[in-house]
Amino acid sequence: GAGVSQTPSNKVTEKGKYVELRCDPISGHTALYWYRQSLGQGPEFLIYFQGTGAADDSGLPNDRFFAVRPEGSVSTLKIQRTERGDSAVYLCASSSRPNYGYTFGSGTRLTVV
Amino acid sequence: KNQVEQSPQSLIILEGKNCTLQCNYTVSPFSNLRWYKQDTGRGPVSLTIMTFSENTKSNGRYTATLDADTKQSSLHITASQLSDSASYICVVSARGGNEKLTFGTGTRLTIIP
Repeated sequence: GAGVSQTPSNKVTEKGKYVELRCDPISGHTALYWYRQSLGQGPEFLIYFQGTGAADDSGLPNDRFFAVRPEGSVSTLKIQRTERGDSAVYLCASSSRPNYGYTFGSGTRLTVV
Repeated sequence: KNQVEQSPQSLIILEGKNCTLQCNYTVSPFSNLRWYKQDTGRGPVSLTIMTFSENTKSNGRYTATLDADTKQSSLHITASQLSDSASYICVVSARGGNEKLTFGTGTRLTIIP
């Protein structure tokens, strides 16, 4: 596609529920990143994919967070047993080569009530 | 620990005036530094990217400078417009490794007519 697409744009869920956030990167971009941005803060790194594999998942805060990219294109960020502290904007970015030319999506605003 | 600090935290200026935003970093080994503009509710959009050997780069009314010796960067906005109201985020990348970016917390710029 022309840009990085993230769906849904907004998600409200109850505490304890499971959510999936989707990222559709720019076609042909092999690198994909997930970031979390709390209000008034800069984005914080969660996970980086190179192709289908997670090259670095050191930013995932705990085992309730998991992400996949089975075919090296679309990625899904999965959050189990959501907590109110998970409320944030989840940003996805992709690039055609590592460390250059990142394009961000508009993010998914997750609200846990 | 890799860190990026930005100042001021927020800034209000009159339309048509110039302004300069500051970024200090401790990321090592340095690869590149980027400035992003983030409108409310949107993902960050890249303005400039500079490598170690570059000390200035322009993109329209935006001019970024980099002093790799003092580990400082600035973003100068000329003849500000109402549409420049946004958060401006400084992002530094380390060489090698897993391609994580270190984000500053941003400067919130408001242009008033």
